Amino acid sequence: AQSVTQLDSQVPVFEEAPVELRCNYSSSVSVYLFWYVQYPNQGLQLLLKYLSGSTLVKGINGFEAEFNKSQTSFHLRKPSVHISDTAEYFCAVTSPNAGNMLTFGGGTRLMVKP
Amino acid sequence: DAEITQSPRHKITETGRQVTLACHQTWNHNNMFWYRQDLGHGLRLIHYSYGVQDTNKGEVSDGYSVSRSNTEDLPLTLESAASSQTSVYFCASSATGEAYNEQFFGPGTRLTVL
Repeated sequence: AQSVTQLDSQVPVFEEAPVELRCNYSSSVSVYLFWYVQYPNQGLQLLLKYLSGSTLVKGINGFEAEFNKSQTSFHLRKPSVHISDTAEYFCAVTSPNAGNMLTFGGGTRLMVKP
Repeated sequence: DAEITQSPRHKITETGRQVTLACHQTWNHNNMFWYRQDLGHGLRLIHYSYGVQDTNKGEVSDGYSVSRSNTEDLPLTLESAASSQTSVYFCASSATGEAYNEQFFGPGTRLTVL
């Protein structure tokens, strides 16, 4: 079975500051990892995904994430956040034989303050 | 543009009533999923379908059912609504083929069971 832990339920940060949202996963097989973002009153949309190869993955809106196999982590980073980045962020995992079924973490609410 | 829609967007019902939430996608995707979103739990899979006449139970399927009579629609039915089913429900779809294919999400339905 797979599981995802997002260590912080809320992350407050000031505008233009850097941010890191933490994600750890547990799986006995190879994994594909995802970050989704949910803006207020909307559905989820894909930020980025890791499949294989380079451990640093770049996504939309200036976000990037680094896959660390030894630490089973996939932390999301942005060097300078904007007010518009205020949203809920979800880390998710699947594996090659999981039939595209995703296991989500509990979510991290990013609150960007002016 | 292709899209995935859900209706109604908000629903209030009473304990014991049958409720059906609609999900319609124009992506022509074979894979469709229903999730519920609860604070601290992220998204949890209720039911999923890989094609017409195919349905499968997810992690939290008790009290829910789905049917797939065409490619575009996967309605979710709560047979006898319970207060524990108050939640936000998301429908998603993805293309067949790879486990890492992006899931596209609808805007969600907020259900309150009184």
